[in-house]
Amino acid sequence: AQSVTQPDIHITVSEGASLELRCNYSYGATPYLFWYVQSPGQGLQLLLKYFSGDTLVQGIKGFEAEFKRSQSSFNLRKPSVHWSDAAEYFCAVGANRNMRFGAGTRLTVKP
Amino acid sequence: NAGVMQNPRHLVRRRGQEARLRCSPMKGHSHVYWYRQLPEEGLKFMVYLQKENIIDESGMPKERFSAEFPKEGPSILRIQQVVRGDSAAYFCASSPGGTIYFGEGSWLTVV
Repeated sequence: AQSVTQPDIHITVSEGASLELRCNYSYGATPYLFWYVQSPGQGLQLLLKYFSGDTLVQGIKGFEAEFKRSQSSFNLRKPSVHWSDAAEYFCAVGANRNMRFGAGTRLTVKP
Repeated sequence: NAGVMQNPRHLVRRRGQEARLRCSPMKGHSHVYWYRQLPEEGLKFMVYLQKENIIDESGMPKERFSAEFPKEGPSILRIQQVVRGDSAAYFCASSPGGTIYFGEGSWLTVV
């Protein structure tokens, strides 16, 4: 059965610093992978997705993620964090009814 | 193209009352999903529906919870005889098949 692990519950970075949020997955076949962002009191917005092809995926708001099959990882990165990036980030694997979400990583941005 | 529409956004119910949450999927999407997000937790799959059919309800509690997606009108998640532990954010999502798009959520508070 597929599962997702986000090892970091909470991360704090300074504005302008780089960011990497970790995501490890367990999946029997080639996975569909997603990153979503959730601001307080809001729904989940899709940042980016990987289905196949180029393992480096570009998303909205300057985010990117890299699929590494050998490490079963799909880490989210951003070169320079903005204060508005403070939110909860969820990694997900699978599709449709079989989509599974990680527990989330809360990002705090220091001025 | 409007996104996934959920209402009410916030709902307060006393213990023992019924809660009804509504979801209108994005235009052209025939797949509807309901997820529950408990405080400090990730998203948990509840049920997957297509028009007039429940495809997968493996994440639904066995009692008091039901869902439907009628031929006409929105999908409805119904919680009977609510208890304090039902307090959570309930997210509806829709998909044409593949990527899932989320609504803004319905926050249920049981007092």
